Amino acid sequence: DTAVSQTPKYLVTQMGNDKSIKCEQNLGHDTMYWYKQDSKKFLKIMFSYNNKELIINETVPNRFSPKSPDKAHLNLHINSLELGDSAVYFCASSRTSGGPTDTQYFGPGTRLTVL
Amino acid sequence: AQSVTQLDSQVPVFEEAPVELRCNYSSSVSVYLFWYVQYPNQGLQLLLKYLSGSTLVKGINGFEAEFNKSQTSFHLRKPSVHISDTAEYFCAVSPSGSARQLTFGSGTQLTVLP
Repeated sequence: DTAVSQTPKYLVTQMGNDKSIKCEQNLGHDTMYWYKQDSKKFLKIMFSYNNKELIINETVPNRFSPKSPDKAHLNLHINSLELGDSAVYFCASSRTSGGPTDTQYFGPGTRLTVL
Repeated sequence: AQSVTQLDSQVPVFEEAPVELRCNYSSSVSVYLFWYVQYPNQGLQLLLKYLSGSTLVKGINGFEAEFNKSQTSFHLRKPSVHISDTAEYFCAVSPSGSARQLTFGSGTQLTVLP
């Protein structure tokens, strides 16, 4: 059983398009995250939701909008895609919103390529 | 705010040799420290973490790390590596009491050679 799953695994699209990446966790966790890993493998948090409520919102363009229909899902919608959006996007989840025994579990990543 | 520096972007090492991957951090508050591993085309997996207590932390796959507060370091070690340890290793830090606020280093690619 996959703990944190993402779809699609690969996404190739043209500049200006709108796309979504889906994330689901079956761990019963309350908190979910989106990270962006750039071409130099630098990993940076974008958003975090706890029980469907936004708790972390780093400096990310407004074109990126997370949506959490329930605490097991956190989807990432990107409008008007730009070349610089090309990256690997990782979803993660943790049991609570960051207690000392918490561990973030990561999904396999979605490689987005904008042409 | 916290920052993490991984001093080596690439570390090649022969199989069965020891390895040390270096990590230094900067923070104005006390921290938790983590090492994650990313195998090719996979997500990140937690290797080990330091929250408090003993400064020597043992993790999965025979890895260990030592927290050195005076040198603000959290270096990862393994006494004898295997080909299967080839992966990208990320050091991360969070403010203590808030493990959700992870700040990652830029990663170290460990390549184990036969």
